[in-house]
Amino acid sequence: AQSVTQPDIHITVSEGASLELRCNYSYGATPYLFWYVQSPGQGLQLLLKYFSGDTLVQGIKGFEAEFKRSQSSFNLRKPSVHWSDAAEYFCAVGADGGSQGNLIFGKGTKLSVKP
Amino acid sequence: GAGVSQTPSNKVTEKGKYVELRCDPISGHTALYWYRQSLGQGPEFLIYFQGTGAADDSGLPNDRFFAVRPEGSVSTLKIQRTERGDSAVYLCASSSMLPGDTQYFGPGTRLTVL
Repeated sequence: AQSVTQPDIHITVSEGASLELRCNYSYGATPYLFWYVQSPGQGLQLLLKYFSGDTLVQGIKGFEAEFKRSQSSFNLRKPSVHWSDAAEYFCAVGADGGSQGNLIFGKGTKLSVKP
Repeated sequence: GAGVSQTPSNKVTEKGKYVELRCDPISGHTALYWYRQSLGQGPEFLIYFQGTGAADDSGLPNDRFFAVRPEGSVSTLKIQRTERGDSAVYLCASSSMLPGDTQYFGPGTRLTVL
């Protein structure tokens, strides 16, 4: 069965520092992968998604993620973190490998930003 | 509307009561999803509609949970005989059927069962 692991429950970075949030997935074929962000009291907002093609995906708010099949990873990166990036980040994989159907989410990584 | 809306935003009920949670998807979106997010966890899939029919209800935890989408737009998640373990944020999402389209999430309904 498909699954998503986010090894880091909580990460703290300084404002202006770089960020990498880890995501590992378990899926037999080429997965559909997503990163969502959830701010307190807000709904989930899509940052970026990977379906096929270029393995380096650009998203909103300056985020990018790289799909590495050999490592079953889809890590999220940002070169310089802003205080407004403090939120919870969820990695997800399409359950049936397609773009429709339900998503399977990781448990999330909470990002704190210190001034 | 501009986005997915969910009502109520908060619902407090007593153990054993019946509750209904409403989701209004983005206009024109044929796919609608319900997820449940417990504290400290990621969202967990409950049920998925294509139009009026449930395409996949494998995530519903038991027969106390039921969802409908009678006209292929608004959906209602119904929980009978609520239990304290049902307390969570219930999220709704919608998407088009275009390949690669995104699921857009609503703000959620926080259900508290006392």
